[in-house]
Amino acid sequence: AQSVTQPDARVTVSEGASLQLRCKYSYFGTPYLFWYVQYPRQGLQLLLKYYPGDPVVQGVNGFEAEFSKSNSSFHLRKASVHWSDWAVYFCAVMNYGSSGNKLIFGIGTLLSVKP
Amino acid sequence: DAGVTQTPRHEVAEKGQTIILKCEPVSGHNDLFWYRQTKIQGLELLSYFRSKSLMEDGGAFKDRFKAEMLNSSFSTLKIQPTEPKDSAVYLCASSLRWGGSAETLYFGSGTRLTVL
Repeated sequence: AQSVTQPDARVTVSEGASLQLRCKYSYFGTPYLFWYVQYPRQGLQLLLKYYPGDPVVQGVNGFEAEFSKSNSSFHLRKASVHWSDWAVYFCAVMNYGSSGNKLIFGIGTLLSVKP
Repeated sequence: DAGVTQTPRHEVAEKGQTIILKCEPVSGHNDLFWYRQTKIQGLELLSYFRSKSLMEDGGAFKDRFKAEMLNSSFSTLKIQPTEPKDSAVYLCASSLRWGGSAETLYFGSGTRLTVL
């Protein structure tokens, strides 16, 4: 079955340091993958999405993600973290079916930023 | 354009009560989703509408949860009767079916439900 695993419930980094949030997917075929961010007391917002093509995808606010078919991964990266990046990050895979297209989300990773 | 609007922001209910959560999707969007968010389970899909037709009715959530799209710009989620385990954040999202931003979900800020 299609699924997404985010192995890290919480990641803490210092402001200005680099960041990687991990995502592993399980999907039969070519996946369409997404990263969403949820700031405190808000809904989720799209950071970036991957459609088959260039494995490195650029998103908003300096985020990027790299798709790896061999590793079944879609890790999120940022070169220099800002305190405003403190949020929960969700990886998701699109499930295409006869009953419509639905996003399947991972459990989320809370990013904490140390001053 | 206005985003997805959810009301109320907070709801407190006694066990056994009926509550109705409301959602207005982004104008012109074809698809509408209801999710339940908890720390343990993450985001669980409750219902999915495509052009007002119910595509997904929530499986395990069917017995006490009922979502409706009264028209293309308004949806409700009824929980009847409520139980303490229903305490969670309920998120509504909408998307276009075609076009450059197709499949991108736009989320509301959610309704935080507490059942005593």
